[in-house]
Amino acid sequence: GGIITQTPKFLIGQEGQKLTLKCQQNFNHDTMYWYRQDSGKGLRLIYYSITENDLQKGDLSEGYDASREKKSSFSLTVTSAQKNEMAVFLCASSNLQGAATGQLYFGEGSKLTVL
Amino acid sequence: QQKVQQSPESLIVPEGGMASLNCTSSDRNVDYFWWYRQHSGKSPKMLMSIFSNGEKEEGRFTVHLNKASLHTSLHIRDSQPSDSALYLCAASHYAQGLTFGLGTRVSVFP
Repeated sequence: GGIITQTPKFLIGQEGQKLTLKCQQNFNHDTMYWYRQDSGKGLRLIYYSITENDLQKGDLSEGYDASREKKSSFSLTVTSAQKNEMAVFLCASSNLQGAATGQLYFGEGSKLTVL
Repeated sequence: QQKVQQSPESLIVPEGGMASLNCTSSDRNVDYFWWYRQHSGKSPKMLMSIFSNGEKEEGRFTVHLNKASLHTSLHIRDSQPSDSALYLCAASHYAQGLTFGLGTRVSVFP
């Protein structure tokens, strides 16, 4: 089996600050994702990447940048953190980039608090 | 507008009872549906997937899919307290990221 590691687990920043979340997977999956989950609600897609150096915007990409430096890692940057922006950011990966996405495997999440 | 709509928002079920959850996609390009379960404080885990019209059963869990109406449902029979969780429906097309609904929170009371 594999694992997805997200760092940091908890991130506290100031309003307007640039903050970066990192994600590593050892499944050797092609596709990686960043989702945001507010208050125990559903997940909203921020960015995904189907291969190294590829980036695709999701519905919630405004205010975020992403980078897929290598197959195993995918980072997400909050370009200017907003006050009271409390959410859990979930990284995921999947195999298959063909006719269907494979099952997603999620990391444990990074909880962001903006003061 | 949410592309994947789930109902009800929350559900209280007695232990041993049946829980029925619904999900509809408004995106006609969707081909595949997934159900994920997320226990409190944990990350989502895939529960079941369905790609073809009809029904699929795995233990106490049954999913139905009607591709014409882009509607899927999840039924949990003989519900257990350990089934208490947020159930997320997701839909996808080709290699695009899964689009999730807001979820149905299921509470099973003894």
